[in-house]
Amino acid sequence: DIQMTQSPSTLSASVGDRVTITCRASQSISSWLAWYQKKPGKAPKLLIYKAASLGSGVPSRFSGSGSGTEFTLTISSLQPDDFATYYCQQYDTYPFTFGPGTKVDIK
Amino acid sequence: EVQLLESGGGLVQPGGSLRLSCAASGFTFSDYAMTWVRQPPGKGLEWVSAINAGGGSTFYASSVRGRFTISRDSSENTLYLQMNNLRAEDTALYYCARDSIPAPYYFDYWGQGTLVTVSS
Repeated sequence: DIQMTQSPSTLSASVGDRVTITCRASQSISSWLAWYQKKPGKAPKLLIYKAASLGSGVPSRFSGSGSGTEFTLTISSLQPDDFATYYCQQYDTYPFTFGPGTKVDIK
Repeated sequence: EVQLLESGGGLVQPGGSLRLSCAASGFTFSDYAMTWVRQPPGKGLEWVSAINAGGGSTFYASSVRGRFTISRDSSENTLYLQMNNLRAEDTALYYCARDSIPAPYYFDYWGQGTLVTVSS
């Protein structure tokens, strides 16, 4: 199975900060990577697909980049609604796998 | 409006069985692959199983292969997950999700989840 790792596991930031989360795959997944936002008690929400494409209705402060084995999710200016846990997911090879998550909390 | 409504969760003893259902509405169910994802309490998301739009191809995580069976009924617009020989580590909130194309892919819509607790 392809192993996904994320760093950092927790990130403390303030409103207005630029935030970057890294996701790495144990082997190349081309650009077959998605990012989701998860809040307690809520269903996950798609943010980014194919590494860099913005999901429908997702604010433009979210962006993704990368290919192969290293990917990043960037929030250009953190908003109060963005405090959540973020997961990457590869959909290159079965079984598809998620990263362990990065929790973004308030500094 | 796309809606996915899971049901069938509950408390079951180790070694027992449960069948989860996911009722889909607001889109042409037979045009999309569907997936089950779970989240154990206090832990991250885990991809569990997927089925293509036609129902002829199924895929499983190593942790559930041989114990879980995914299926779909397009006449009922419903996705299922038959879970047998349940273990404590299967305790989780189980989400159904719509893949964005007819084959397993990334997920553009999710349900609210149904809780499965495996305990004696």
